[in-house]
Amino acid sequence: DSGVTQTPKHLITATGQRVTLRCSPRSGDLSVYWYQQSLDQGLQFLIQYYNGEERAKGNILERFSAQQFPDLHSELNLSSLELGDSALYFCASSARQGSGNTIYFGEGSWLTVV
Amino acid sequence: GEDVEQSLFLSVREGDSSVINCTYTDSSSTYLYWYKQEPGAGLQLLTYIFSNMDMKQDQRLTVLLNKKDKHLSLRIADTQTGDSAIYFCAESKAGTALIFGKGTTLSVSS
Repeated sequence: DSGVTQTPKHLITATGQRVTLRCSPRSGDLSVYWYQQSLDQGLQFLIQYYNGEERAKGNILERFSAQQFPDLHSELNLSSLELGDSALYFCASSARQGSGNTIYFGEGSWLTVV
Repeated sequence: GEDVEQSLFLSVREGDSSVINCTYTDSSSTYLYWYKQEPGAGLQLLTYIFSNMDMKQDQRLTVLLNKKDKHLSLRIADTQTGDSAIYFCAESKAGTALIFGKGTTLSVSS
């Protein structure tokens, strides 16, 4: 158990819909990262938050957004869903931005768009 | 630019050593990681190495880093069937997101 909790574990929804994925980082971790894993694209970095503020953006679509709340949990919002958005979405957390950047991953949220 | 390359497949017999290789392009990477993903599961951090180290050993795992060639390897001694999984190499600078390779599928036969 990495200490990173993601919900829901599985989600099936229709095209055009909107979903929210939730992540609770390890206790004390300030950084949260979101990744998308698909068969054709591999593990793609989407976005990073540090202590409530957006820190870095990767290959995140404009239809996707995220935020980190004062209690440090994070949500990834996926809207106008397309079939190609079906993937495993990972959240990860780390303690701080300085040295010793050990990053732990949650179990992931499986999203199926039908 | 940043890119991490791995071979896609490796097949070994139980009890043999496995060596999974990885090359990266960003010479300013500070940390290099190995993660393991079993079928239907999340990413498990196996080990990581700082860029100022050449080697790190942790039980059956040995990580070797050649900074000059930007080459990282993971050796698993006495490979077991339970080691069958996908192994991902990743790089990062301190505080930044990981950049992953495509993963190497390790198949262990008894």
